[in-house]
Formats: sequence, structure tokens, C-alpha cells
Amino acid sequence: NAGVTQTPKFQVLKTGQSMTLQCAQDMNHEYMSWYRQDPGMGLRLIHYSVGAGITDQGEVPNGYNVSRSTTEDFPLRLLSAAPSQTSVYFCASSLSGTGITDTQYFGPGTRLTVL
Amino acid sequence: GEDVEQSLFLSVREGDSSVINCTYTDSSSTYLYWYKQEPGAGLQLLTYIFSNMDMKQDQRLTVLLNKKDKHLSLRIADTQTGDSAIYFCAESGSARQLTFGSGTQLTVLP
Repeated sequence: NAGVTQTPKFQVLKTGQSMTLQCAQDMNHEYMSWYRQDPGMGLRLIHYSVGAGITDQGEVPNGYNVSRSTTEDFPLRLLSAAPSQTSVYFCASSLSGTGITDTQYFGPGTRLTVL
Repeated sequence: GEDVEQSLFLSVREGDSSVINCTYTDSSSTYLYWYKQEPGAGLQLLTYIFSNMDMKQDQRLTVLLNKKDKHLSLRIADTQTGDSAIYFCAESGSARQLTFGSGTQLTVLP
């Protein structure tokens, strides 16, 4: 198993550009989520999904869209990038949530800079 | 909303014990977690504790939970240079969401 994969690893955007951060997992996990990590602020949940076709907002959803058309993929879209979206983005997955058996597996991250 | 707080930095000598502390506000937390992040990598689950437990030991790791004070700690015995990383405390409340602390950068000095 490849686990959780994310592409790209690094990206530089100009303000106003759009892009999609890709996330895929091959563990047949139902639950997937996106976090952003900023210095001194830990990880903050952007959006999450409890299964194909179902998504919900986390703590900081503004400026981001997600969709979950398959169990494996959970892309994160920035429609009009802003400098405030400069961050490291992590995708995570688990079997069904955050219960005792639901270890969250994290991808390696995408480092995004918006100029 | 829920809040999880940690100190930002901790330095220890190799071979000493490290204690990383965390406080949280959500009294409905079911599980509390410790994650480790090495440079340039994602987070890796180290250990967790169920909210009705006081202590959990796993090899060099000891987790202590004081539910009354909403205080969680991670003790690493015989700290090694390979333990240098950022350690995140996290709690699960409702809606299958994890709330993370800001992370504690542990530096192990030779």
C-alpha cells in the first residue's frame, strides 16, 4: 500500500490563481480530511468527508472547495488563491473517523506559497 | 469552541526524560492523542488515551491524563536524538473532528 499520497509537494501561485491539491489513499478508508498547518497554530481542519459523495466543513473552510466522487480521492480546490492561504496542507484518512481503531494516516504534505 | 494548548519549545539532554504538557477545554473529549511530526513529514500517531483512563504506558512513552484539570502529558523516557521532532496533542470531541494543539518542538541535545 502506498498509504496517503499528495501532489504536488511544493507549489507557488500568484494571487488570484486557482489550483487543485490532490490527495489519494489506497486503504479503502471512508474518512478523509484536509488540514492546514501554520507556524504556532497547529493543524486546523479545512474540510472532511465521511464517505464518497459526502463532505462537510471544518474549522477554516473559507476559500476552499472539496468533492469526494470516489472513496480513494479527495481533492482540495483553491478557486482564487490569496497570500493568507500560504501554508502547508496535509491530507489524512482513517477507516471511519476518530474512534479508538481509527488511526488517522497523514500524507507527506503540500507546501503552498501564494505571492 | 474547543481549544488545545501546548508550550512551543522543550530542550532536554540525551538520556534524560522529556515531559510535554497539554491542556484542553472540551470536557466531552472521548480520546486524546499524541502525534509526532518529523521534519518535512506528515504526522504520525504515537499513542492515544481514552478519556476514562488515567495513565497509559507504551514502551518509553507514558501518557498521563488528569480529566479534572483537563491536563494531558507525554513522558518520553531515555530521550534519544531520534526523538527530536514536533509533538502535537489532539482531542476528539464531536463530529469526528480532531482539534490539535500548536505543537511542541522537542530538541534533544547530545
